[in-house]
Amino acid sequence: AQSVTQLDSHVSVSEGTPVLLRCNYSSSYSPSLFWYVQHPNKGLQLLLKYTSAATLVKGINGFEAEFKKSETSFHLTKPSAHMSDAAEYFCVVSDELNTGFQKLVFGTGTRLLVSP
Amino acid sequence: EAGVAQSPRYKIIEKRQSVAFWCNPISGHATLYWYQQILGQGPKLLIQFQNNGVVDDSQLPKDRFSAERLKGVDSTLKIQPAKLEDSAVYLCASSLEMGLGVYNEQFFGPGTRLTVL
Repeated sequence: AQSVTQLDSHVSVSEGTPVLLRCNYSSSYSPSLFWYVQHPNKGLQLLLKYTSAATLVKGINGFEAEFKKSETSFHLTKPSAHMSDAAEYFCVVSDELNTGFQKLVFGTGTRLLVSP
Repeated sequence: EAGVAQSPRYKIIEKRQSVAFWCNPISGHATLYWYQQILGQGPKLLIQFQNNGVVDDSQLPKDRFSAERLKGVDSTLKIQPAKLEDSAVYLCASSLEMGLGVYNEQFFGPGTRLTVL
């Protein structure tokens, strides 16, 4: 079974400084990986996805992530944090069911705090 | 385009009572998912439907949880009887039809926050 590990439960940054949210994955085959964001009282939103094309993936709101097979990592970055980026971020891997269909396996989440 | 709708948004019940949640997916989305998100954890898939058939329910506690998707559109998730550990946010999501090896983006509703006392 596929799994992901988010290495930090909380990350605090100042507005305007870079953001790094770390994620490592465990997979027996080439995985599909995603980052989702969850703002308070709002639904989960897809930030970006990696599906074996370019290893550097650009997402919405200036976020990007790089797939590194040698390090089994898929870290999320943003050059300059904005107050509106404060939210919970989930690293997600797609796992294949016995039926051949896909299901999402979520990490435990990283809460990003942005101070003025 | 309307998103995934869920109701109620909040529910408080006593243990051993029953509760039901409703989900209306995005129009045209064949696949519907129910997730359980316990405080401090990531969402966990409970059940996945493709149209009105169950694709996966391996993590659904079937002694107390049930779900149905009659007519392949709306879905309800029921808990009977509820336990304290069922306190969580229940998320519904939908996507275009899944295929073998094909992933389509899942769109999530706002969730129903359940508190069991």
